[in-house]
Amino acid sequence: DGGITQSPKYLFRKEGQNVTLSCEQNLNHDAMYWYRQDPGQGLRLIYYSQIVNDFQKGDIAEGYSVSREKKESFPLTVTSAQKNPTAFYLCASSDRSPAGLDPYEQYFGPGTRLTVT
Amino acid sequence: DQQVKQNSPSLSVQEGRISILNCDYTNSMFDYFLWYKKYPAEGPTFLISISSIKDKNEDGRFTVFLNKSAKHLSLHIVPSQPGDSAVYFCAAAGGNEKLTFGTGTRLTIIP
Repeated sequence: DGGITQSPKYLFRKEGQNVTLSCEQNLNHDAMYWYRQDPGQGLRLIYYSQIVNDFQKGDIAEGYSVSREKKESFPLTVTSAQKNPTAFYLCASSDRSPAGLDPYEQYFGPGTRLTVT
Repeated sequence: DQQVKQNSPSLSVQEGRISILNCDYTNSMFDYFLWYKKYPAEGPTFLISISSIKDKNEDGRFTVFLNKSAKHLSLHIVPSQPGDSAVYFCAAAGGNEKLTFGTGTRLTIIP
C-alpha cells in the first residue's frame, strides 16, 4: 500500500532546541516537498527536492534545513533560528516522470503538528 | 504578495444544493490549477485539476471552471453531501512542479 508517512503525529519541544521531522514515501516519486500550515493561511512551501542529493529553498526557508540522501526520505530540521516554529507541517511528493498521470499532482502525508514552548 | 486568493474564508450550504467555491490568481504564468480537500489534522487530498487549455473539467459531482481572461476559477459540487464538509484549497502551477496555494475556504454542509 503506497503512500507517505510522517512521524510523529504530534511533537513537543522546548524553545532553543532543534527538531527533525520525518517524511518517508514508497511511491517511487522523484520530487518531495515540505509545507507549513498556519491558522487562516494556505500551505507555504519551505523546501523542495526534485532529485536525490539536490534541494531548493521555497518561500519560507529561513530557520529550516533539509537533506535528500535517499529517494524515499526527505527529513526536515526545524532549527532554533526559526522564530515561529509552532505549526502544522506537511510533506508531499510528486511523480515527475513523463509517464506520470499528472506531473503537478502532489500526494500529501498526514502531517506533524509541532508545538514549541 | 498573495498570488492565489480565496476570498471567502467560509461557506455554508444546505445538503443537496450546489456548493460553489471561488479562487482568483494574479500570475499569468500559471497554466495548471488544482483543488485539494483537507480534513482537520490530516494532509490534503487531491480532488480535481484543470489545464489552462480547457475551461471546464468534470469528475462525478465535482466540476472546475476556468476563466483565463478573468484569472478566476471555481469548483462546483453538486449535490453537496455532509462528507463534503472540509477546507478546500485552490492551487496553481506554472513552469515547474511548485504549487502556490490559496488560503482555503471552509465548507460546511448543513443537513
